[in-house]
Order: sequence, then structure tokens, then C-alpha cells
Amino acid sequence: KNQVEQSPQSLIILEGKNCTLQCNYTVSPFSNLRWYKQDTGRGPVSLTIMTFSENTKSNGRYTATLDADTKQSSLHITASQLSDSASYICVVSSTYGGSQGNLIFGKGTKLSVKP
Amino acid sequence: NAGVTQTPKFQVLKTGQSMTLQCAQDMNHNSMYWYRQDPGMGLRLIYYSASEGTTDKGEVPNGYNVSRLNKREFSLRLESAAPSQTSVYFCASKEIRDRWIFGPGTRLTVL
Repeated sequence: KNQVEQSPQSLIILEGKNCTLQCNYTVSPFSNLRWYKQDTGRGPVSLTIMTFSENTKSNGRYTATLDADTKQSSLHITASQLSDSASYICVVSSTYGGSQGNLIFGKGTKLSVKP
Repeated sequence: NAGVTQTPKFQVLKTGQSMTLQCAQDMNHNSMYWYRQDPGMGLRLIYYSASEGTTDKGEVPNGYNVSRLNKREFSLRLESAAPSQTSVYFCASKEIRDRWIFGPGTRLTVL
């Protein structure tokens, strides 16, 4: 069964600190992996998208890595800010599904950045 | 360019009532989707529309109907709401390059 598992479920860090969120997936056939940021009461917003051949991708203070062999990804946030407080969702897209899109969503990691 | 818009933002229904959630996009995307998000779960696909005039069931379609009114608009209807349909509903659209844009969501409570 296609699954996306994220850890930890929640995380509290102090402003200015770094953190790393984890994502493990069992999705086949694999197309790409995305990280989304979802602020409370808002829809998910794309941070990064990586295909099979990409190991790392950055978007400002956000850096995502992908190890397609071990089927693991991480999202590293550098020098956290209060505005980073949100849920971070790992989403894997399968090539199977056509127009359905076939996005498999993780449950998300809730990050709280404290002053 | 507003992206994906959804109305209403919040709604409270009584069991058995009906309502329609509205979604519109101004990006000329062909594909549109309806998802629900429940606490402790990932987003789950309810229905999708690959193009104007077509709709298909997703993972959790029971209790819902959809209409792709035109290329811009994709509505989700609950004919007889049940407490199990209490959720946050997200509409999304997708461009050819596989870039997804999500709406702000509709928070629905069924009493």
C-alpha cells in the first residue's frame, strides 16, 4: 500500500534554531516528492518539488533532500523564524494515476517556533 | 490573479441539510480536485475533474457529488450532510507541468 510517514508529529524549537523534519515513503511507481507548508487555517503552499534524479533542492531557508534508494526525504529549516510555525506536509506523487494526479499525503509535522 | 478561491470559508449544518461548496480558479488549469483534511490524517481525494465536462471519483466519494460547471468552476455538493462529513475541504487545480495550487479551504461542521 502506498504510504507516506512523517516524523516527528510535532516539534517545538526556539527562534533562530535549525530543525530537520523527516519523511519516509513507500510509493510505487515514484514520480516526485514535494514539501508543502500549511499555515493554520490556510491551504498548503508548495516549498519544493524533487524528481527521482534530484538529491537536494533549496527554497530560501528551506532545504529538502531526497534519497530515492532508501525512500527517505528530509526538510531542513535554517535560522527559524516565528513565521515558520506551521504544519509541513510531505507529499509523494506516483506516475500511476494519470489525471487523478495520485498525490499521497503525509499527516504532517506541526512546527512551533517560540521566541 | 487570485489563484484558487473557495466559498464559504466556514459553514455549520445540521444533519440532513444540503449545501454546495464553491471553487473557482483563474489560471486556466484543466484539472481540478476536491480534498478533505481530517485531524491526524493526510488529505484525501474526494472527486476530481481532468477537464471541463468530466468528473471522476477519488478515494472517498461517498456522500458527495460534484459539478464541473465550466473550466473555471468546480463545485462539491453534500446532499444530506452527516457528522462524519465534518472536515476541512480543499479545492486544488493543477497545471500541465504538475504544479498544484490549493485554495484556502472551507471549514464545515455538521451537527
